[in-house]
Amino acid sequence: DAKTTQPTSMDCAEGRAANLPCNHSTISGNEYVYWYRQIHSQGPQYIIHGLKNNETNEMASLIITEDRKSSTLILPHATLRDTAVYYCIVRAITGTASKLTFGTGTRLQVTL
Amino acid sequence: KAGVTQTPRYLIKTRGQQVTLSCSPISGHRSVSWYQQTPGQGLQFLFEYFSETQRNKGNFPGRFSGRQFSNSRSEMNVSTLELGDSALYLCASSLDSGSAKQYFGPGTRLTVT
Repeated sequence: DAKTTQPTSMDCAEGRAANLPCNHSTISGNEYVYWYRQIHSQGPQYIIHGLKNNETNEMASLIITEDRKSSTLILPHATLRDTAVYYCIVRAITGTASKLTFGTGTRLQVTL
Repeated sequence: KAGVTQTPRYLIKTRGQQVTLSCSPISGHRSVSWYQQTPGQGLQFLFEYFSETQRNKGNFPGRFSGRQFSNSRSEMNVSTLELGDSALYLCASSLDSGSAKQYFGPGTRLTVT
């Protein structure tokens, strides 16, 4: 699985968009970008994934650059409940095992 | 549809004892993966079970083991507990083995004293 680099922490005002970047310069052609988040002391929660086109669901949008070396997760209107650690994971959509390799993630703090 | 459930939610054990944790996946999901989360090491993959067979194993000692039943429910066991085994143990289920889209349970918080 390709290595990812994320900022350690970010702040965002409630109601504003939170833009969380992720670098994955060694991503392979068959690897997808996945985002999970973990609210304090809970299990990680799947947010969104994409290959090369921008993706949007009810939780967030995912923007992947044309060269696929970086991506941005966008929470359009952050709320206090979005305070969590956000993990960017790069791996094939299917593989020989379900192993997910979590890095240190970005700790997003949403404030009033 | 009910989510992933883990029991017990909290557990306190003494060094040298053994412990068994249980995970019930989402109905219809056949793959169950286990992860250990500690402040120092973060989230680390333990192993995955699919169709009652271990598909992959992380870099953990043999004291950590698991199994899966025909109804996809899974258990993990840790023998001869050490202080360093204190952690949040998370279970995740997915439809099939190899899927990167996984649904996590709330975890079992194990404290070893």
